[in-house]
Amino acid sequence: LAKTTQPISMDSYEGQEVNITCSHNNIATNDYITWYQQFPSQGPRFIIQGYKTKVTNEVASLFIPADRKSSTLSLPRVSLSDTAVYYCLLAWTGGFKTIFGAGTRLFVKA
Amino acid sequence: GAVVSQHPSRVICKSGTSVKIECRSLDFQATTMFWYRQFPKQSLMLMATSNEGSKATYEQGVEKDKFLINHASLTLSTLTVTSAHPEDSSFYICSASSGGDTDTQYFGPGTRLTVL
Repeated sequence: LAKTTQPISMDSYEGQEVNITCSHNNIATNDYITWYQQFPSQGPRFIIQGYKTKVTNEVASLFIPADRKSSTLSLPRVSLSDTAVYYCLLAWTGGFKTIFGAGTRLFVKA
Repeated sequence: GAVVSQHPSRVICKSGTSVKIECRSLDFQATTMFWYRQFPKQSLMLMATSNEGSKATYEQGVEKDKFLINHASLTLSTLTVTSAHPEDSSFYICSASSGGDTDTQYFGPGTRLTVL
């Protein structure tokens, strides 16, 4: 299985908008882009999923360009509790097309 | 959102014993369930995929006789670690998907296994 590419870590301050970009050059027609958040000693929590253009929910927005080879997770106003690891994966019917990589470790400072 | 539970959340056992971990989808029927293992400071590694009523499909390098998976119903899958040894100590996480085009996976809270 392939892996997506994300920055290893990011720092931010409370109240700022954080954008985490993920590269998935080999995305296939049937693949959906899915983002998860994981805190230490907890299972990953589903954040958002999208296929193209823009998806928004109460937690985040997901921006996907026309070629779908990358995506950007946008967290509007982060707080200290958003400090976590964020994973970008490609999903299709039957499971994930990509493995869990190292994810992006976001550290939010006061 | 969809809720997946795991039981127990934490278990400590002696070397050589077997441990069973349950994974339940509480508010949806899961056509497929997955089992992952996560070592400290590492990412999740897929161990096996199971469909209700079928034998599980194990990833390369995962011993199917050691990690027994039973997906008896659309809401319950169990992972049994047989003859556990200290190197099996890890964080075990299950996920469940309801199928469909997006087939979103929802994860359980995880089970911390410590083998003495």
